Amino acid sequence: AQTVTQSQPEMSVQEAETVTLSCTYDTSESDYYLFWYKQPPSRQMILVIRQEAYKQQNATENRFSVNFQKAAKSFSLKISDSQLGDAAMYFCASTSGNTGKLIFGQGTTLQVKP
Amino acid sequence: ETGVTQSPTHLIKTRGQQVTLRCSSQSGHNTVSWYQQALGQGPQFIFQYYREEENGRGNFPPRFSGLQFPNYSSELNVNALELDDSALYLCASSLPPSGRAVHEQFFGPGTRLTVL
Repeated sequence: AQTVTQSQPEMSVQEAETVTLSCTYDTSESDYYLFWYKQPPSRQMILVIRQEAYKQQNATENRFSVNFQKAAKSFSLKISDSQLGDAAMYFCASTSGNTGKLIFGQGTTLQVKP
Repeated sequence: ETGVTQSPTHLIKTRGQQVTLRCSSQSGHNTVSWYQQALGQGPQFIFQYYREEENGRGNFPPRFSGLQFPNYSSELNVNALELDDSALYLCASSLPPSGRAVHEQFFGPGTRLTVL
């Protein structure tokens, strides 16, 4: 069965500093996508960044970047210049099958300290 | 462009009752997926609807059922509610996967269901 594991239930970072959230996954599929989603206390899930597994280049979106290690099945999220608005639950997810359904990890709660 | 909306926001039911949750997809999206998110956990895939047909199902019993309408809106129905059904139910809409491409899923704010 496809699984996504986030081993850090909680992380904290000082405002303006950098933090890295970890994620590992297990899949038997050759084509898949990986995502990081942010879920603030308001509950609306927002896509932060996505990575196509067939692309070797790590995805970057402004202050957010990933370190995608395909052989190690690792997909970490780096947040640079952390802001108070980055405080949220972060979920790592991968696609499964041809429906594009998402398999989520357990989440990491990120606290940003002023 | 209207985002994904869900109704109601909150709902309280008793064990054994039935519930219907509703979702309006984002404009232009014909694929709707439903997820169950227990407190403090990641969402779990329930099922997906595409062109009014179920297009994939997760590990949920048959008392979880759904519908998709011609305007692409969708309903999630849960019969014979159990205490463990208490969760946040998320709806996500997207364009359908095509070939190698998987499109972003846009999530609604969710419906918080409490079963007493």
